[in-house]
Amino acid sequence: GQQLNQSPQSMFIQEGEDVSMNCTSSSIFNTWLWYKQDPGEGPVLLIALYKAGELTSNGRLTAQFGITRKDSFLNISASIPSDVGIYFCAGQLTGNAGNMLTFGGGTRLMVKP
Amino acid sequence: DAGITQSPRHKVTETGTPVTLRCHQTENHRYMYWYRQDPGHGLRLIHYSYGVKDTDKGEVSDGYSVSRSKTEDFLLTLESATSSQTSVYFCAISASRPRHTGELFFGEGSRLTVL
Repeated sequence: GQQLNQSPQSMFIQEGEDVSMNCTSSSIFNTWLWYKQDPGEGPVLLIALYKAGELTSNGRLTAQFGITRKDSFLNISASIPSDVGIYFCAGQLTGNAGNMLTFGGGTRLMVKP
Repeated sequence: DAGITQSPRHKVTETGTPVTLRCHQTENHRYMYWYRQDPGHGLRLIHYSYGVKDTDKGEVSDGYSVSRSKTEDFLLTLESATSSQTSVYFCAISASRPRHTGELFFGEGSRLTVL
């Protein structure tokens, strides 16, 4: 099946630093999404991207839909302790049965105060 | 918060026993999904439903079955649990708005341990 390669697998940064993570695929998608999972909780949608080349922000978060439709990145500016968690990228090729998502393996972010 | 309730939240069982996990939603969303989360594998789709009595297999469906007799309930059954099915299981729902079906709302998860 399709696979998404998400990197890095983990990051340990100092509070205030900027963070960058990305996701690449061997197949194209027409929707890219980024989710965050806090410890002990289910993932929550952060940003959804629907158009190749699209750049979208949500507060300190910025995500881009790669022009080739095979990649996406997420940036977090000026990290704070509550940014700790696991970040998942997901790709969707709409029109497939069930509109299924393919998830990346996640990036675990740890922030040192 | 989306109205999704998973039960039980935690369960310990023995190999070979049947287990049923329940997902209940109050949003009247069409699509419902069961995922499992394991270290190093992210979230993997087990089964999904696109309407009452309409279900299909996902990426890792072996050993699992599902049923959806009502819009609000989606059941995941392990007929004979194995240790490899020890995992955290998440239910998710999404509406059927065109282009927005990837916007999933997840439940809080059910942690299953098979001894």
